[in-house]
Amino acid sequence: DGGITQSPKYLFRKEGQNVTLSCEQNLNHDAMYWYRQDPGQGLRLIYYSQIVNDFQKGDIAEGYSVSREKKESFPLTVTSAQKNPTAFYLCASSIYGQDNGYTFGSGTRLTVV
Amino acid sequence: AQSVTQLDSQVPVFEEAPVELRCNYSSSVSVYLFWYVQYPNQGLQLLLKYLSGSTLVKGINGFEAEFNKSQTSFHLRKPSVHISDTAEYFCAVIPGPGGGSSNTGKLIFGQGTTLQVKP
Repeated sequence: DGGITQSPKYLFRKEGQNVTLSCEQNLNHDAMYWYRQDPGQGLRLIYYSQIVNDFQKGDIAEGYSVSREKKESFPLTVTSAQKNPTAFYLCASSIYGQDNGYTFGSGTRLTVV
Repeated sequence: AQSVTQLDSQVPVFEEAPVELRCNYSSSVSVYLFWYVQYPNQGLQLLLKYLSGSTLVKGINGFEAEFNKSQTSFHLRKPSVHISDTAEYFCAVIPGPGGGSSNTGKLIFGQGTTLQVKP
C-alpha cells in the first residue's frame, strides 16, 4: 500500500547536537511538507517542497534545514541553532495544486535531553 | 490570504451525545475545505472534504459537515459520539479553482479543537 513513512517514532537528542528526521513517501506526490506541533499551538509549517531540488521556508524555518534530492524523500535536520526543538514533527505530502488535501505520516516525537 | 478559525479549543461531551465542532474561514476566493482528525501520538487522518456540489458532506466514522458560504463556515457534526472519538480535530482550507495568485498550493490549518468524550 502507498503511504508516507516517518522514522524514527521517538528520538532523543542531547543539546548542541544536530539530528535528522526521515520522511519517505511512495505515493508519487510532488509536494512534501514538514510541520511542527506543540500543545495548544496547532500545526506550524517549517519547510515545504513542491518539486525535486527546490524547497521554500515556512513560518518557522530558523534552526532547521531540509533537502529534496529525490521525489520520494524529504529529510528534516534539526540543528543546534534551534532553541527549543522538543516537539512532535509531522511530514505530509500532496499532489500539488490538486484537491485531495494532504497525506500525513505518523510523526516523530523529538525530545532534547 | 486565507485564514481558518476554530472557535472552540476544547469541547467536552458525554458519550452518545451529539457534538458540533465549529470552523469559520476567511477568503476572497472560492475554497476547498477539509476536516482532519488526530489521535494521540499519531498523524492526521482525513475525515471529509468539501470541493463543490452538495453542501452537506459525509465522512468517515459517522461524521458530517455542512458548508455555508454566506456564513463562511464549515462546522463538523456527529449525532452520537463514542469514547473512541476522543481526539484533536483540525479544519483546513485551500484555494479552489480560480484562486489565482492566492493559490500557493498549501493547506491553511486552524488551531485545532480537542474533543473529549466522557463516559
